[in-house]
Amino acid sequence: ETGVTQSPTHLIKTRGQQVTLRCSSQSGHNTVSWYQQALGQGPQFIFQYYREEENGRGNFPPRFSGLQFPNYSSELNVNALELDDSALYLCASSLGGGLQGETQYFGPGTRLLVL
Amino acid sequence: AQSVTQPDIHITVSEGASLELRCNYSYGATPYLFWYVQSPGQGLQLLLKYFSGDTLVQGIKGFEAEFKRSQSSFNLRKPSVHWSDAAEYFCAVGAALGGYGGSQGNLIFGKGTKLSVKP
Repeated sequence: ETGVTQSPTHLIKTRGQQVTLRCSSQSGHNTVSWYQQALGQGPQFIFQYYREEENGRGNFPPRFSGLQFPNYSSELNVNALELDDSALYLCASSLGGGLQGETQYFGPGTRLLVL
Repeated sequence: AQSVTQPDIHITVSEGASLELRCNYSYGATPYLFWYVQSPGQGLQLLLKYFSGDTLVQGIKGFEAEFKRSQSSFNLRKPSVHWSDAAEYFCAVGAALGGYGGSQGNLIFGKGTKLSVKP
């Protein structure tokens, strides 16, 4: 069974640029959630996708957007990068449609540095 | 507001000693509670979870946690720590996503406790 994978592992961008991060969910999982983990902080929920639709969203601006594909893989796009966007971006998959309390399985993350 | 507090930013214990990591939550309903561990350069690995029933939950790697509703706590324990347990530990509550009219949820994490193990 393949776990959650993310690419790239590291990325450096400059302020104002756009970035796309990718996630492949664990086999059989239909829901993907994205989290941002700033240095020294716990992960913060960005949004969740189920059956290619946004299922829920945290307190992040619209320049954070996402997609989910028919194979349940997902992308996180961030436009107009700001210095504060520097963080570890974690993808998590689950198999219950994003129900409250269901277990989420995390990938290793993409570390983004914005200069 | 829903929140999770981990009062200890950094804890150091000797190898073989017992461990307790504290977690307090604020949540209006019966909480779904999780403990995750994060090693350097890695994602989060689930240690254990509590949904209902027995308030003492067993997890992987010899960890356990006890849910105490009266204290709004879900502390993580291990009787004998190994050097490989050095990592960052996160407590999380499974919260409902407001405004979506359904039963979707997300995880709300504490800020984490970094565990160092002395030889």
